[in-house]
Parts: sequence; structure tokens; C-alpha cells
Amino acid sequence: QLQVQESGPGLVKPSETLSLTCNVSGGSISSNISYWGWIRQPPGKGLEWIGTIYYSGSTYYNPSLKSRVTISVDTSKNQFSLKLSSVSAADTAVYYCARRGPTGIPLAMGWFDPWGQGVLVTVSS
Amino acid sequence: QSVLTQPPSASGPPGQRVTISCSGSRSNIGTNTVNWYQQLPGTAPKLLIYSDNHRPSGVPDRFSGSKSGTSASLAIGGLQSEDEADYYCAAWDDSLNGVVFGGGTKLTVL
Repeated sequence: QLQVQESGPGLVKPSETLSLTCNVSGGSISSNISYWGWIRQPPGKGLEWIGTIYYSGSTYYNPSLKSRVTISVDTSKNQFSLKLSSVSAADTAVYYCARRGPTGIPLAMGWFDPWGQGVLVTVSS
Repeated sequence: QSVLTQPPSASGPPGQRVTISCSGSRSNIGTNTVNWYQQLPGTAPKLLIYSDNHRPSGVPDRFSGSKSGTSASLAIGGLQSEDEADYYCAAWDDSLNGVVFGGGTKLTVL
């Protein structure tokens, strides 16, 4: 059964870069031929899509975050990563990783499943 | 301001049927499929409905989805206390070239 799990620092200083990793288990990130995504949720607020990456490396980013976001995939480690630069308090949120699948479905027609449990990242000095 | 519009709250007594709406536009709901996610308190979102009206394995048939034009709906029949959660609709937006979510609807079982 495919599972995803986020990891990374829970506290980041303003103006620095937030870095998170999503480990994929129960299947190969490349053999699934799927898309993988990051979503965040500020405390007490709704969900916001950050970006999605194809196993081969093609990326799609939220236009509102595009200038600060980099998503990459490391097939050798079966994981994908998120970097968000120049963070501020507004970037404080629970960050989730998820697979956007299923295999073979066009990106626009897919859905996020499964989701990781999420990691709270607080931006504060 | 979310691209997809949902009512902030919904409620009903146990056993009743409740419907949650999700309004979008031609570039998202009007062109692409809608998915619904359930987020129980303190947990990660979980896929509830995919491709407008399909339930993943394990989701009770009390939950159903529908779509017409640029709007979608989630119906929950026979409300149970464990249905208290936040519900989010989502779709791909061709104009933004990305995923858009609704603002979420908090369901209370009275």
C-alpha cells in the first residue's frame, strides 16, 4: 500500500528557505508513473495547492508562489522535495505531500491520494 | 478568496441529508473533474469523492457527488456524528494551470 510521509524542520527563520522532503514507501516513485504534490494549510484556514511534479521532473506551480517555490524529485531515494525561499510569517502552515494519481490519468483529471500526515512549519525568529 | 466557492458551514441532525455546494467557472469545474476531501478534526485530508461522483473503496455510499455545468455538490445522507469534519472541493484550473480548492465547509451534526 502506497504511503507518503513528510519530514523537515518545524521552525524556520524569516527570510530563510523552508525545505521539506516527502518519502514514498510501498511503491517506486518512478515506476508508478505518477504526479506528486505539495499542499499547505495555514492554522485555522483552508487548503492551498503549492505545486506538483511528474516523476520525470516536469513541474507545475501555484502562480502566487511560483517565484519562491522549487519542487524536485530524487528517484534514487524514492522521495521528492519542496523548497520555499524568502519565507515570512504568512508561510506558517501544515505542509502536506500527496500523490496525484492514479497512474495513467491526465494531470488535470487526477486527485490527491494518499496524503501524508502533515508537518507544521512555523516561521519565526 | 478561494477560486471555488463553498458555504463556510452546514449542519443537520443525525439521520438527515445535507448538501454542500461548490461553485466554480468554465476553466475549472466546467472543464475538469471535481474531487472532494474530508478532513476530520486534527487529521490530514482524505479523498472522499473523485472524478465528480466516484467513491474510493471504504467510503460509505451515504456520500455522493454530482456536477452540473460549473457547479458541483456533495450530498451526505443519514448524517452521523462521525461525519463532523471540514469538506473541501477541488479541481484543476486550465487558466491557472494548477489545482484550486474551495474554502472548505465545516459540517456540524446537531
